[in-house]
Amino acid sequence: AQTVTQSQPEMSVQEAETVTLSCTYDTSENNYYLFWYKQPPSRQMILVIRQEAYKQQNATENRFSVNFQKAAKSFSLKISDSQLGDTAMYFCAFIFYGNKLVFGAGTILRVKS
Amino acid sequence: GAVVSQHPSWVICKSGTSVKIECRSLDFQATTMFWYRQFPKQSLMLMATSNEGSKATYEQGVEKDKFLINHASLTLSTLTVTSAHPEDSSFYICSARDLGMVAGLSYEQYFGPGTRLTVT
Repeated sequence: AQTVTQSQPEMSVQEAETVTLSCTYDTSENNYYLFWYKQPPSRQMILVIRQEAYKQQNATENRFSVNFQKAAKSFSLKISDSQLGDTAMYFCAFIFYGNKLVFGAGTILRVKS
Repeated sequence: GAVVSQHPSWVICKSGTSVKIECRSLDFQATTMFWYRQFPKQSLMLMATSNEGSKATYEQGVEKDKFLINHASLTLSTLTVTSAHPEDSSFYICSARDLGMVAGLSYEQYFGPGTRLTVT
């Protein structure tokens, strides 16, 4: 069975600084997708970034980038130049063909001014 | 594009009554929709997978007679909580998978804004 582990229940960062959220997963599949979702206080789930396992290049979306280490089954999210609007709960998620999204427990990130 | 709506956004009902939550894909067709339940500061828990025109597949431990799911069209799925009790109070989120997306992106799910259910 696939599992996703987020070992940091809560984190805080100063505005404009950089923070990295950790995620590890366990699977025997070779082709799959990984996602980071953001859930702000409004509770709307927002896709932050996606990574396809067969692509070696790390995905980036503006201030958000990932460090994807397939052999180590690690998928961390780096947020650069943190902004107050980044305050949210962040979920790492995994999926492979035809199956269901598997979410981690989440990390609450607080950006302080 | 890829907008999913839920209605209502917040509902309060009395214990023993039933409440229906609608999930609509507004600008795409969804063969598959998913229903999640979320408690405060916790992760999303998948309740069931809903496929258009067929019976929903429920996750282990989810009472199918209590949480009725109907996926009547490619743009609408409904979750009915029957004989609701205070322990059913929670935040319910639906998501949808786009039928028309290219293969690489077809795994992505688009989430609705959620429905807060309070049972008194």
